Amino acid sequence: DAGVIQSPRHEVTEMGQEVTLRCKPISGHNSLFWYRQTMMRGLELLIYFNNNVPIDDSGMPEDRFSAKMPNASFSTLKIQPSEPRDSAVYFCASSLVSGTGIHEQYFGPGTRLTVT
Amino acid sequence: GESVGLHLPTLSVQEGDNSIINCAYSNSASDYFIWYKQESGKGPQFIIDIRSNMDKRQGQRVTVLLNKTVKHLSLQIAATQPGDSAVYFCAERGTGFQKLVFGTGTRLLVSP
Repeated sequence: DAGVIQSPRHEVTEMGQEVTLRCKPISGHNSLFWYRQTMMRGLELLIYFNNNVPIDDSGMPEDRFSAKMPNASFSTLKIQPSEPRDSAVYFCASSLVSGTGIHEQYFGPGTRLTVT
Repeated sequence: GESVGLHLPTLSVQEGDNSIINCAYSNSASDYFIWYKQESGKGPQFIIDIRSNMDKRQGQRVTVLLNKTVKHLSLQIAATQPGDSAVYFCAERGTGFQKLVFGTGTRLLVSP
């Protein structure tokens, strides 16, 4: 099993540029999560999808951030325009959810974003 | 850059010792708890979980204890090895359907 795949692994961009982070969840998983990790705030949930539908986006910082999941095997997190305070490691995670069952989330390796 | 960051508590142990990492959670309605391990440059990795109707669960070399009265969770690692060096996070499932809220983490340093 390939696990959760994220790309790119590292991204360096200038302030004001658009950044797109990509995630491929584990095949067969129906829930996908985007997290951000910084030294200041730790690991924060930004948004999660269930069956490709956004369920909770209350963690998305502001309108500059948007996430999509056009199909079960692909999701993007976009920042436009990017700012230096967006510098962080962004993780994607996926899980298989059925009913009210509880299932572990599998994390990808993360994308380290640096905005200069 | 950031001048102030989270101060991760650090636990330093010798190889072969038993380690206990503690976590206080906030939501008395949380019904599920997980421990994750994060090595440098990697994503968090699942270690063990426990439902709120249990107070203890054991895995291979790890045990999780849950005390709902004081909202406290602990992870015990037996015979700690240098490969156990990492940051350990507890997470709770609260009011969201599958939403996990992560703690700030504890850094475990294991000396040979």
